[in-house]
Amino acid sequence: GDSVTQMEGPVTLSEEAFLTINCTYTATGYPSLFWYVQYPGEGLQLLLKATKADDKGSNKGFEATYRKETTSFHLEKGSVQVSDSAVYFCALSDHRAGGTSYGKLTFGQGTILTVHP
Amino acid sequence: DGGITQSPKYLFRKEGQNVTLSCEQNLNHDAMYWYRQDPGQGLRLIYYSQIVNDFQKGDIAEGYSVSREKKESFPLTVTSAQKNPTAFYLCASSIGRGQGKLLFGSGTQLSVL
Repeated sequence: GDSVTQMEGPVTLSEEAFLTINCTYTATGYPSLFWYVQYPGEGLQLLLKATKADDKGSNKGFEATYRKETTSFHLEKGSVQVSDSAVYFCALSDHRAGGTSYGKLTFGQGTILTVHP
Repeated sequence: DGGITQSPKYLFRKEGQNVTLSCEQNLNHDAMYWYRQDPGQGLRLIYYSQIVNDFQKGDIAEGYSVSREKKESFPLTVTSAQKNPTAFYLCASSIGRGQGKLLFGSGTQLSVL
């Protein structure tokens, strides 16, 4: 079945440091890929998405490129802020036509990011 | 403002008791989902519903039940058969099949007394 693997956390950075959170996936269909963010005590919010190979999703200074050849969707940000401290989830959505899994999300285990001033 | 409302924010269950978590949305979304979140394990799908009066089991449906009698409501019952119910429960919704763009509620933390 489909699966998503994220790099082990937690990740601790100083403000203005460069961020990379690795994400790789396994899927039998042609998935869309997502990054969601969860702030303390809240639900998840969509951060960015990419629907096909070589697409780049971007939002709030975060970027991720859909790499089909390496089955990866790594999240990057050039200069993190304290307000970026949260849990980040990589996810995929299966697009197999006619399948009951269409539209469901499979999540990675989440990576805790802490940014210090 | 449109959104998803989960209640209560905190819930405690006694042994052998069934408890129901509420999820309401005023977004006119067709699809609704329940996920369970445990520390270090990400989110796992419990049940989902694409239309009213229809729902499907997710990956961990045992010990849970749902209903979808109205488009805007998708309550989750944690039954006494669920032996490890302590977790953070998240409800989500999407337009049609949504293509992965889910809008989440703020969650309910369920604990066992």
